[in-house]
Amino acid sequence: EVQLLESGGGLVQPGGSLRLSCTASGFIFSSFAMSWVRQGPGKGLEWVSGVGGSGVDTYNADSVKGRFTISRDNSKNTLYLQMNSLRVEDTAVYYCAKHRGVTLVHGMHVWGQGTTVIVSS
Amino acid sequence: QSALTQPASVSGSPGQSITISCTGTSSDVGGYNYVSWYQQHPGKVPTLLIYDVNNRPSGVSNRFSGSKSGNTASLTISGLQAEDEANYYCSSYTSSGTQVFGGGTKLTVL
Repeated sequence: EVQLLESGGGLVQPGGSLRLSCTASGFIFSSFAMSWVRQGPGKGLEWVSGVGGSGVDTYNADSVKGRFTISRDNSKNTLYLQMNSLRVEDTAVYYCAKHRGVTLVHGMHVWGQGTTVIVSS
Repeated sequence: QSALTQPASVSGSPGQSITISCTGTSSDVGGYNYVSWYQQHPGKVPTLLIYDVNNRPSGVSNRFSGSKSGNTASLTISGLQAEDEANYYCSSYTSSGTQVFGGGTKLTVL
């Protein structure tokens, strides 16, 4: 069974840092692109960052560019999101999602349960 | 990277058909056949309904269908059922290599 399990969320002060992890199982991790998608309280889905299967190609939304870094360790079947200079507006549930192919072009057909990040003083 | 435009809400009666639109630009929806649709019930994880404009993953009911014309994609739900009441989001691949979501549409089954 294909599974994604996020961890690393929590409460952090504005300007602080946090690293999210997503452990994958049940599929050949390196063969699929992965993304982070977030959902603020009472808000819609927002694509945050994505990485191709090899880990070389990474992409970020303008809202997090220069602050967030996505990476993956295919030997550990794990996806990461390093979040720096956090802002109150980064408060959200962060989902890890698997794309249907090795690049980001196709939809995300498997989602984790999400991990909650709260940025507050 | 502006969000794709969806109506905030739509409604329909059981058995009817409804259509949700998703409007972007030639740099996203209009430029690629890589539009996806997701369903999200309150408090639940999103699930993929449609990918690549009009393809359904295995297990998704054939009551859900997708199409595209120019810069606007559409999701049609036929034979509306009470369980279809949820939030629906479109997304598209973009010329920047990113993904972008629509603002979401709340479907109410009357």
